[in-house]
Amino acid sequence: GNSVTQMEGPVTLSEEAFLTINCTYTATGYPSLFWYVQYPGEGLQLLLKATKADDKGSNKGFEATYRKETTSFHLEKGSVQVSDSAVYFCALANQAGTALIFGKGTTLSVSS
Amino acid sequence: DAGVIQSPRHEVTEMGQEVTLRCKPISGHNSLFWYRQTMMRGLELLIYFNNNVPIDDSGMPEDRFSAKMPNASFSTLKIQPSEPRDSAVYFCASRTSGSGQFFGPGTRLTVL
Repeated sequence: GNSVTQMEGPVTLSEEAFLTINCTYTATGYPSLFWYVQYPGEGLQLLLKATKADDKGSNKGFEATYRKETTSFHLEKGSVQVSDSAVYFCALANQAGTALIFGKGTTLSVSS
Repeated sequence: DAGVIQSPRHEVTEMGQEVTLRCKPISGHNSLFWYRQTMMRGLELLIYFNNNVPIDDSGMPEDRFSAKMPNASFSTLKIQPSEPRDSAVYFCASRTSGSGQFFGPGTRLTVL
């Protein structure tokens, strides 16, 4: 079945450091891929998405590229801020674009 | 624009009691999803509706859980009777064709 695997957290960085959160997936067909962010006490917010191979999603300085050959969708940011501290979830959607399957989430903590 | 609205935000109840969680999706969205989030199991899809019709309820843990969507602007998730292991944050999300899922703020349920 379809599944998403994220790197274990927590990830602890200093402000302005480079961020990578790894995400790999298993799926049949050509799923859409997403990164969601959850700030403390809030619901999930869509951060970025990619719908086909080699697409790059980007938002707020974050980016991720849909790599079909390595079944990966790693999240990157060149210079993190304290305000980026949150839990990040990688997810895939079935081809109908309906149900989402989430990874377990990676907690990012950025200190000044 | 109002996002997905959930109520109550917090619910504390005793084992055996009936619990009803409510969700108002974003106007114009035709798909609605109920998720449960726990530390142990992460985010799990419980059920989703398309055009008010339940499409996949395979994630509903057992018969104590039921969900309804009587119209396009309202859905309920009911647990009867509730048990301590049902304690979690329950999220509602909605989407329309071509969009990602938009999440509500969640209901934190504690069953004593």
